[in-house]
Amino acid sequence: EPEVTQTPSHQVTQMGQEVILRCVPISNHLYFYWYRQILGQKVEFLVSFYNNEISEKSEIFDDQFSVERPDGSNFTLKIRSTKLEDSAMYFCASSTQLGTAYGYTFGSGTRLTVV
Amino acid sequence: DAKTTQPPSMDCAEGRAANLPCNHSTISGNEYVYWYRQIHSQGPQYIIHGLKNNETNEMASLIITEDRKSSTLILPHATLRDTAVYYCIVRPHFMDSNYQLIWGAGTKLIIKP
Repeated sequence: EPEVTQTPSHQVTQMGQEVILRCVPISNHLYFYWYRQILGQKVEFLVSFYNNEISEKSEIFDDQFSVERPDGSNFTLKIRSTKLEDSAMYFCASSTQLGTAYGYTFGSGTRLTVV
Repeated sequence: DAKTTQPPSMDCAEGRAANLPCNHSTISGNEYVYWYRQIHSQGPQYIIHGLKNNETNEMASLIITEDRKSSTLILPHATLRDTAVYYCIVRPHFMDSNYQLIWGAGTKLIIKP
């Protein structure tokens, strides 16, 4: 079964450093998403991406965040200057259509720890 | 905020049917009911969705009341691997502008041997 692959599985970074979280969506999917989940809290939407541009973003997705699809397979989330409160699980997801009938496929996540 | 209400936790015996309720009394006519689950520390996993008819797939069945104000996810023969947090989410099937899934706290389902 096709999978969304996220790397690394766990990243520790110092406050103020830049981090890049990587995702390889399912190959025939066209819509890409990032969600995050702070430990013990709800899953929160960050951003959706289609046709090489952001479709929608939440209030969480401020100027410190950016997304990119640098080639035909990778989808990245960059946090320019990490803060302690950025510590969370970050999930990438992809879908064939917007509001898809088939549901989103999520990756297994990257646990980001900011120290 | 999430438009759904779910019990915070439930237990079920292994091999029995697990019935997870969800209230969505303010659901709109164009909104579908989606179910996802999240096994500990893993990414959410799509289970099933429906509009007004009951739906069944290889994982589960979804029963939606006639007034669409509530639904029940049924795992027919629960196994220990079904222990997870189950999320009920309502959203339009095709989005005009809002693409995001809005997550509630879900129901923590514990399958007991």
